[in-house]
Amino acid sequence: NAGVMQNPRHLVRRRGQEARLRCSPMKGHSHVYWYRQLPEEGLKFMVYLQKENIIDESGMPKERFSAEFPKEGPSILRIQQVVRGDSAAYFCASSRLADTQYFGPGTRLTVL
Amino acid sequence: KQEVTQIPAALSVPEGENLVLNCSFTDSAIYNLQWFRQDPGKGLTSLLLIQSSQREQTSGRLNASLDKSSGRSTLYIAASQPGDSATYLCAVSGATNKLIFGTGTLLAVQP
Repeated sequence: NAGVMQNPRHLVRRRGQEARLRCSPMKGHSHVYWYRQLPEEGLKFMVYLQKENIIDESGMPKERFSAEFPKEGPSILRIQQVVRGDSAAYFCASSRLADTQYFGPGTRLTVL
Repeated sequence: KQEVTQIPAALSVPEGENLVLNCSFTDSAIYNLQWFRQDPGKGLTSLLLIQSSQREQTSGRLNASLDKSSGRSTLYIAASQPGDSATYLCAVSGATNKLIFGTGTLLAVQP
């Protein structure tokens, strides 16, 4: 019974490029959450999605960031025109209902 | 705005000691509280979840309590082991189930 899977585990981008982070929730889970951990800072909520719906995006930066969770396939966090300040660890979590969240190993994004 | 604070920020104990980690939150209107551990460069492992209607949860050597009215939770670790060394995070959830995380306690258990 695989846990939450994220890929890639490490991603290097140059300023101005696009970053796509993928998250496959645990089997049977239809709720997905994205969190960001900036260097030397705590984990911050970004967005909460259910299949094909954004439930809460109060933590998403207003520009350049978007997220989706299509009917088929993984959830995608997309960052356009990356800047150095986007360098962070991005964690995805999933839950069956609105209860215990299980986290993936994270994607560590480095912007050169 | 919900704020979560953890004390102490760092803790070093000898193997075998019992220890308590503290978590406080400013808004008592929570749905649940979850304790996690995070190993360096790794993801988060869920340890315990306490629903807002519950007072405590236990799993093995871990016991978490919740006093919702005073905005406090504690994580008790019995007979600590070097393998318990990690950062411990508490997080509270509200209406939309998004987690608000505390600042973490870095625990080192010395053999």
